Amino acid sequence: QQPVQSPQAVILREGEDAVINCSSSKALYSVHWYRQKHGEAPVFLMILLKGGEQKGHEKISASFNEKKQQSSLYLTASQLSYSGTYFCGTEEAGGTSYGKLTFGQGTILTVHP
Amino acid sequence: GAVVSQHPSWVICKSGTSVKIECRSLDFQATTMFWYRQFPKQSLMLMATSNEGSKATYEQGVEKDKFLINHASLTLSTLTVTSAHPEDSSFYICSARDGLWDRGSPLHFGNGTRLTVT
Repeated sequence: QQPVQSPQAVILREGEDAVINCSSSKALYSVHWYRQKHGEAPVFLMILLKGGEQKGHEKISASFNEKKQQSSLYLTASQLSYSGTYFCGTEEAGGTSYGKLTFGQGTILTVHP
Repeated sequence: GAVVSQHPSWVICKSGTSVKIECRSLDFQATTMFWYRQFPKQSLMLMATSNEGSKATYEQGVEKDKFLINHASLTLSTLTVTSAHPEDSSFYICSARDGLWDRGSPLHFGNGTRLTVT
């Protein structure tokens, strides 16, 4: 089942912050975050494996609340290069979905000068 | 490391013809590869899981006779769209993990193939 992302779109000025949320109705093993530029393949940002785990990648970080099956991606001091569509991908815990990644509908982030 | 190469990058074909898309893991072995399809402004939808040496596992609603998958080696999986129709026009992307069923590792995506059926 597809995770739900919010918001659907965000418009920022350079230097502003944003938060993108990802929520699943299924018990999760992990959450992945990717960014996709128009016409290109998704690029991996980070994986979160444990409940409460937080990871960082320069000015982009994320958290994972395993109990609530939710993850958030934090973008601080945004840069023009951050523009793109952000997808969360979820791996369900156990069952027949082993190894599969199901993506949310995406959040379009636009950063203006 | 962990590079996935996909070919061709784009293809235009006539309705009724077949198109083959190749996905290669260049610097690692991939027992499993995943094929996704993405329509404009939509999410990536998993079509099938390609398993080396065995039959692919298709997601619900994906026609296995229309989308033929062959995973003949640990570095190559192919997707053949048979009897293509305009509604099959889409962005097809393959992906793989570096490691056997390693959930702790990211999916590495190929650059995608944009298929246009006229």
